[in-house]
Amino acid sequence: QVTLKESGPVLVKPTETLTLTCTVSGFSLSNARLGVSWIRQPPGKALEWLAHIFSNDEKSYSTSLKSRLTISKDTSKRQVVLTMTNMDPVDTATYYCARMLGAVAGRGGWFDPWGQGTLVTVSS
Amino acid sequence: QTVVTQEPSFSVSPGGTVTLTCGLSSGSVSTSYYPSWYQQTPGQAPRTLIYSTNTRSSGVPDRFSGSILGNKAALTITGAQADDESDYYCVLYMGSGIYVFGTGTKVTVL
Repeated sequence: QVTLKESGPVLVKPTETLTLTCTVSGFSLSNARLGVSWIRQPPGKALEWLAHIFSNDEKSYSTSLKSRLTISKDTSKRQVVLTMTNMDPVDTATYYCARMLGAVAGRGGWFDPWGQGTLVTVSS
Repeated sequence: QTVVTQEPSFSVSPGGTVTLTCGLSSGSVSTSYYPSWYQQTPGQAPRTLIYSTNTRSSGVPDRFSGSILGNKAALTITGAQADDESDYYCVLYMGSGIYVFGTGTKVTVL
């Protein structure tokens, strides 16, 4: 069974750096056909794709947030880590990680399954 | 930044058919954008419905179908049921490993 689980702080202060961890099971982060993305959703608003990491460690980032994001992975720990710098109250959201399938040979993939999400509130 | 547009809301009668669309603020959606669709109920993580334009994910009922209609990607629900009442999101692949979610459509079944 494939599962992903997000973990990290519930509350961060403005200007701080957020570090989130996605721990996966049921698949390997070294599988050439798979990757992991981070996606967020502010309360009552739409989903927003943030970043992706491929098995070969290639990374991609949202154009609008690229300067603030870093994604990395530790294959042996089965973990994908997202850091977001200079947090602001508008970054309050549920943060999801999701496995990506199908993104091979230049094709676009899809997200399946998703973790349960973790709510991060930015407030002083 | 590219905006992916969806209708804010739709209402459909039980047993009825509704088509949601996913367009671009600039340009046309084609299969080269590998559109995928997700269903989300309140408080839950999204669930994959359709990927690569028209392939149903495992376990998804065949009343959900995906296509390209004109210059947009489309999700059609045929024979809507009460538990189809959800938010629906499309995602488009922009190339270079970048994805953009649509603005989402809230579907009410009544």
